[in-house]
Amino acid sequence: AQSVTQPDIHITVSEGASLELRCNYSYGATPYLFWYVQSPGQGLQLLLKYFSGDTLVQGIKGFEAEFKRSQSSFNLRKPSVHWSDAAEYFCAVGAQGEGSQGNLIFGKGTKLSVKP
Amino acid sequence: KAGVTQTPRYLIKTRGQQVTLSCSPISGHRSVSWYQQTPGQGLQFLFEYFSETQRNKGNFPGRFSGRQFSNSRSEMNVSTLELGDSALYLCASSLAGFTPNTIYFGEGSWLTVV
Repeated sequence: AQSVTQPDIHITVSEGASLELRCNYSYGATPYLFWYVQSPGQGLQLLLKYFSGDTLVQGIKGFEAEFKRSQSSFNLRKPSVHWSDAAEYFCAVGAQGEGSQGNLIFGKGTKLSVKP
Repeated sequence: KAGVTQTPRYLIKTRGQQVTLSCSPISGHRSVSWYQQTPGQGLQFLFEYFSETQRNKGNFPGRFSGRQFSNSRSEMNVSTLELGDSALYLCASSLAGFTPNTIYFGEGSWLTVV
């Protein structure tokens, strides 16, 4: 069965510091991978996605993620965190195949706090 | 281009009542899916509709149902509400088809059951 693990429930970083949020997935074939961000009381905003090709993908707000098949990982990174990045981040894997388009499996999320 | 629109944003219902939530997908998107988000269970897939047909369903009781209209708008219904149904219900849309598509989410409908 597909699954997504985000090992860190809560991370605190200082403003201006670099950030890496971890995501590991379990999936039998090539996964479709997503990172979403959720601010309090809001819906999910797509940060970036990986479908195929270049394993380093760029997203919005200065975020990037690297797909590593050998490690079953899709970690999210940002070189310099801003206070406005404080939010909850979700990694998700999409299923392949007919009829499974809308079925994303989400990790439990990582809450990011930013110290001034 | 307008995003995924969900109504109502907030609602309070009493145990035993039923509720209907509405979702308008991004223009041109034909797939609509629904998710429930709770602090304990996280984000869980409810069901997905494409061309008015449910083509994928999560592990939820039959009290949770949905439908999609010919204009791709979707509704989900929860009957005989329980306290545990209190959650953020998120709608998402995508172009659909069987190649990977980007899935966009709405702001959600906050349901409180008292």
